[in-house]
Amino acid sequence: DARVTQTPRHKVTEMGQEVTMRCQPILGHNTVFWYRQTMMQGLELLAYFRNRAPLDDSGMPKDRFSAEMPDATLATLKIQPSEPRDSAVYFCASGWGLGGRNTFGSGTRLTVV
Amino acid sequence: DQQVKQNSPSLSVQEGRISILNCDYTNSMFDYFLWYKKYPAEGPTFLISISSIKDKNEDGRFTVFLNKSAKHLSLHIVPSQPGDSAVYFCAAMRNSGNTPLVFGKGTRLSVIA
Repeated sequence: DARVTQTPRHKVTEMGQEVTMRCQPILGHNTVFWYRQTMMQGLELLAYFRNRAPLDDSGMPKDRFSAEMPDATLATLKIQPSEPRDSAVYFCASGWGLGGRNTFGSGTRLTVV
Repeated sequence: DQQVKQNSPSLSVQEGRISILNCDYTNSMFDYFLWYKKYPAEGPTFLISISSIKDKNEDGRFTVFLNKSAKHLSLHIVPSQPGDSAVYFCAAMRNSGNTPLVFGKGTRLSVIA
């Protein structure tokens, strides 16, 4: 089965440090999403790309978050500087268009202390 | 403002009985609805969907009902099994408007043997 691969699975970092999360989408999928899951907000959409071009990143705190797709096999989400309130599980998902039946990775659990 | 609401954070059901998970939405432009299931330490996986032109869609033990006038959908699981214990996310989108999924906060279902 094709899968979306996210690394690392877990990350513990100190406040103020840079965090980079990586995602390898399913080959052939043209749309990549970044979501954040928290107890309070559920699954929030942070940003998404189509054919590697950013379509919408309005869900991200712009001053500290950035999302890129350097190539079709890699999407990155960076937080600099990280803060304790960024602690959450971050999911990458990929799909064909915005059809909805996207495939999610297993997530990166980020803890900022 | 939550456009997709799952007002029950948790639900417990006896094995073999029916589980009913509810979801309300506020955006009348939504025309495609999905349910995702999520196990601990895994990403959400697509479960079942329904288009606004239908009021029911069935797949094995899972049935989704849509009441457009009430802006309400529900997921029925019959009979419930212990393996169904997971967090269920309701999601909605404007398929015609080419916008991404909006998720609810999820309902944790526990099926008790």
